[in-house]
Amino acid sequence: EVQLVESGGGLVQPGGSLRLSCAASGFSFNTYWMHWVRQDPGKGLVWVSRIKGDGSGILYADSVKGRFTISRDNAKNILYLQMNSLRAEDTAVYYCIRDPDYGGKSYFENWGQGTLVTVSS
Amino acid sequence: DIQMTQSPSSLSASIGDRVTVTCRASQSISNYLNWYQQKPGQAPKFLIYAASTLQTGVPSRFTGSGSGTDFTLSISSLQPEDSAIYYCQQSYKIPYTFGQGTKLEI
Repeated sequence: EVQLVESGGGLVQPGGSLRLSCAASGFSFNTYWMHWVRQDPGKGLVWVSRIKGDGSGILYADSVKGRFTISRDNAKNILYLQMNSLRAEDTAVYYCIRDPDYGGKSYFENWGQGTLVTVSS
Repeated sequence: DIQMTQSPSSLSASIGDRVTVTCRASQSISNYLNWYQQKPGQAPKFLIYAASTLQTGVPSRFTGSGSGTDFTLSISSLQPEDSAIYYCQQSYKIPYTFGQGTKLEI
């Protein structure tokens, strides 16, 4: 069974940093694209970043470019999101997602339970 | 960025009804269109990819169609557990973008 378990969320002051982790199990982690998607409280879904199975193919949403860094440790089956220079508008639930990219088509097949990041003074 | 617009924003229906949710892309995305269902307090659940291919385990009363800019998600024979918010999402071009959601009440 595929499992994605996020951790690392919490309350942080504007300008601060957090590192989110996503522990993956039940599949060959190093063969899958992985993404982070966030959901503003009571609002919609926003794609944040993606990374290929071998650690290449990294891309970011413009709103986080230069501040967030996605990475993965395939030996430990963990996906990371390092978030620096946090702003109030980064407040959201952050989801870790597995993407099979089947037939060249990307889709968000499996989601973690999410971890809440609150940026506030 | 490709903008995804869903309609209606909300709808109410009865058990056994058939409903349709529409999703429109601001430019052609071929069939790079996925659908998700989200219930309160839960992460979204993947339903359909490539506009019409049902994820394994999703009931056959869910159907997706469309290509280019216009897509639909239909749910026939509504069940109480279908109450949720439904989102479309394009995977044609980064940044991947979602519709604003359609809240279905039963």
